[in-house]
Amino acid sequence: EVQLAQSGAEVKKAGESLKISCKGSGYSFRSYWIGWVRQRPGEGLEWMGIIYPADSDTRYSPSFQGQVTLSADKSISTAYLQWSSLKASDTAMYYCARPDYYDSGTFYVAYWGQGTLVTVSS
Amino acid sequence: QSVLTQPPSVSAATGQKVTISCSGSSSNIGKNYVAWYQQLPGIAPKLLIYDNDKRPSGIPDRFSGSKSGTSATLGITGLQTGDEADYYCGTWDSSLSTGMFGGGTKLTVL
Repeated sequence: EVQLAQSGAEVKKAGESLKISCKGSGYSFRSYWIGWVRQRPGEGLEWMGIIYPADSDTRYSPSFQGQVTLSADKSISTAYLQWSSLKASDTAMYYCARPDYYDSGTFYVAYWGQGTLVTVSS
Repeated sequence: QSVLTQPPSVSAATGQKVTISCSGSSSNIGKNYVAWYQQLPGIAPKLLIYDNDKRPSGIPDRFSGSKSGTSATLGITGLQTGDEADYYCGTWDSSLSTGMFGGGTKLTVL
């Protein structure tokens, strides 16, 4: 069974750094893209980016390029989302997601993590 | 502001049918497959439709998807109160090289 287990909720202050994690199990972690989706309170879903663990090929959404860093450690089947300096506007639920992404034009997410709530106070 | 446009809300009575539209462009829906997700309050989204019109195992055939040109549509028949949720379309944008979602549609079952 495919599972994505995310790290727990975080409460931080503006300006602090943060790294949250997502551990994949039940499949070949290195062989599937994995990404992050932001959902601010009361708002919709936003793709932040995806990474291919086998070679760390990363595709950032233009809105998030330079704002966050995606990484993955295939040796422990874990993906990370990192901020160097948080803002209050980063307060959101963050979902890790394993998209099925192929050159044929297929792109969908059948497997989601449970979400990590990040709260940033100013 | 989402690149994929959905109506903010739709409503219909129990047992009736509803459709939710998703409008995009030639670089996203026009070129790639569309998926649809259901999100109940406080939990992760759930995949309802992938590759425009395919249902994952366990999704009832009350849910259907279609695509034409740069638009896609989710249909739900035999509405139940449990269908009240937010619905999102999603696809890949080949120009931006990123995944994207529509703004979401809140379904109310009267």
